[in-house]
Amino acid sequence: SQQGEEDPQALSIQEGENATMNCSYKTSINNLQWYRQNSGRGLVHLILIRSNEREKHSGRLRVTLDTSKKSSSLLITASRAADTASYFCATDARGGTSYGKLTFGQGTILTVHP
Amino acid sequence: EAQVTQNPRYLITVTGKKLTVTCSQNMNHEYMSWYRQDPGLGLRQIYYSMNVEVTDKGDVPEGYKVSRKEKRNFPLILESPSPNQTSLYFCASRKHGNEQYFGPGTRLTVT
Repeated sequence: SQQGEEDPQALSIQEGENATMNCSYKTSINNLQWYRQNSGRGLVHLILIRSNEREKHSGRLRVTLDTSKKSSSLLITASRAADTASYFCATDARGGTSYGKLTFGQGTILTVHP
Repeated sequence: EAQVTQNPRYLITVTGKKLTVTCSQNMNHEYMSWYRQDPGLGLRQIYYSMNVEVTDKGDVPEGYKVSRKEKRNFPLILESPSPNQTSLYFCASRKHGNEQYFGPGTRLTVT
């Protein structure tokens, strides 16, 4: 079963607004990663946050991680039409039979209207 | 340029005709994976490899085979493709604990 579950499944906003996507997971992790996918193309890595980190920034992206709640959020500030894409979280499992396995959620489809 | 390459990018084939999708990376990554992506089902892992000669099943391994004889290559083999294997396939690689690099995808249609 998928480790990461994104919420919402789809998000539609106006240019300039902020977009927030959430990810929940079930087991212990080494890190959590966010990826972006433009329609039908390969996924591109956005940001990686390690289990001992609580917040990370990269340009207009802000990621938080709460290991006690097993959840993460991705915030895109001042969105642009070019941010329209699918966004996926992925968990890097720690220990057990899933060691080293990177598991993706089903993604959030973000549409930014000009 | 650091990259993951896949070939072919598009393939239409018939049921039962064995095929191989190649994957190669030039970043000396230990980990390599194959995923399939289907509408409404997200990205599902087929197989992954933690190093040469070390492979393990992902979430949907049935009907697929892989091999990892060299560090840079991780081919995906469909011995007897069926229509339910029509999908968009991605190969990916990474160093342990780091971000993953994806190939451009292979769109496979099995009739």
